[in-house]
Amino acid sequence: DGGITQSPKYLFRKEGQNVTLSCEQNLNHDAMYWYRQDPGQGLRLIYYSQIVNDFQKGDIAEGYSVSREKKESFPLTVTSAQKNPTAFYLCASSWGPAGGTGELFFGEGSRLTVL
Amino acid sequence: GENVEQHPSTLSVQEGDSAVIKCTYSDSASNYFPWYKQELGKGPQLIIDIRSNVGEKKDQRIAVTLNKTAKHFSLHITETQPEDSAVYFCAASTGGSSNTGKLIFGQGTTLQVKP
Repeated sequence: DGGITQSPKYLFRKEGQNVTLSCEQNLNHDAMYWYRQDPGQGLRLIYYSQIVNDFQKGDIAEGYSVSREKKESFPLTVTSAQKNPTAFYLCASSWGPAGGTGELFFGEGSRLTVL
Repeated sequence: GENVEQHPSTLSVQEGDSAVIKCTYSDSASNYFPWYKQELGKGPQLIIDIRSNVGEKKDQRIAVTLNKTAKHFSLHITETQPEDSAVYFCAASTGGSSNTGKLIFGQGTTLQVKP
């Protein structure tokens, strides 16, 4: 089955720790995205990548980092610099840029809780 | 920055009634307007989209209308069923050309269809 796999589904972290969320897709999509979902705020773009070895900051990139070494993979690291990291994180991919003709295909999300 | 406002935040209807969700956008260059449905515990999924050269699009019980002059677009669901209960997000493209465009999401509407 083609799709996007995010792991882990639930993650707990102590303050001051970095944590990495995994996102893998087998849809052969060029573009990949990370969104953060908070109640009442919709989906906010953290980082996106249109091609391997290239990525751009989204609207709320501070305290996050990404890499795109392989087409299939786009991991997100939530660093200790992120002041309010508790949230639901969604990874997505698309054939082309999401603002053009690319439908976004989402994973099932990772819920991060900072204790 | 560019933004998308979505209303209402919650909507409760009786099974069989219609539901309408409205969004306004700020970027006059926006030309792509998708709607996503998010069921509990899952990632959002595209249900319908519309481009700026079209005023209305219909797919079975779902329709979307676009008023470019007023910069607003709406989702209409007729003959609602309990399985329509979910969170719905509107989005608008922004960022100029389709090669660099991004999506800006609304805040989401929680639709509850009572049997």
